[in-house]
Amino acid sequence: DAGVIQSPRHEVTEMGQEVTLRCKPISGHNSLFWYRQTMMRGLELLIYFNNNVPIDDSGMPEDRFSAKMPNASFSTLKIQPSEPRDSAVYFCASSRSGGDTGELFFGEGSRLTVL
Amino acid sequence: GNSVTQMEGPVTLSEEAFLTINCTYTATGYPSLFWYVQYPGEGLQLLLKATKADDKGSNKGFEATYRKETTSFHLEKGSVQVSDSAVYFCARNSGNTPLVFGKGTRLSVIA
Repeated sequence: DAGVIQSPRHEVTEMGQEVTLRCKPISGHNSLFWYRQTMMRGLELLIYFNNNVPIDDSGMPEDRFSAKMPNASFSTLKIQPSEPRDSAVYFCASSRSGGDTGELFFGEGSRLTVL
Repeated sequence: GNSVTQMEGPVTLSEEAFLTINCTYTATGYPSLFWYVQYPGEGLQLLLKATKADDKGSNKGFEATYRKETTSFHLEKGSVQVSDSAVYFCARNSGNTPLVFGKGTRLSVIA
């Protein structure tokens, strides 16, 4: 089975530009999570969805960040406008049942560099 | 609140050395505890887990025991290999809450 698929793997952009990161969860998984990884703060949960509905977005840094899940097989994380401090690796993960079993399946990440 | 504290790295060991990476958690409720591993250029993957006190999780020669009395879940391996070089994350959840991860510990094993 295919794992969690993220795109792009790498993105370099200039400050002020819009960035869209994409994620396809594992088929049959009904929970999807967006994490951000930086050296300073480690792995932070930004937002998660159950059955395509956002449950908790308290980790989203500010209004420049937004996430959508229009259907069970696709989610986007958008940053507009981007800033250098947004540079990080963004991971998408999915799980079968709200993540309460603890087994999350991660994608390979999207490495974002904002100049 | 829910938090996880793990030892800061990096940890550098010679091949076949004994490994311990410490992890403690806050004792809110009855969490399940996990170790995830991140190999270079990859996402995290579950290494092992324990769901109740005194449980021992094990996988690929790694072990961790859920110690309620010390609120700890230390990761151990008796003999590390170069291929174990990675970042290791301790994590906890409780009920329906998503996983909370520690900051990660980078392990480098040299031949």
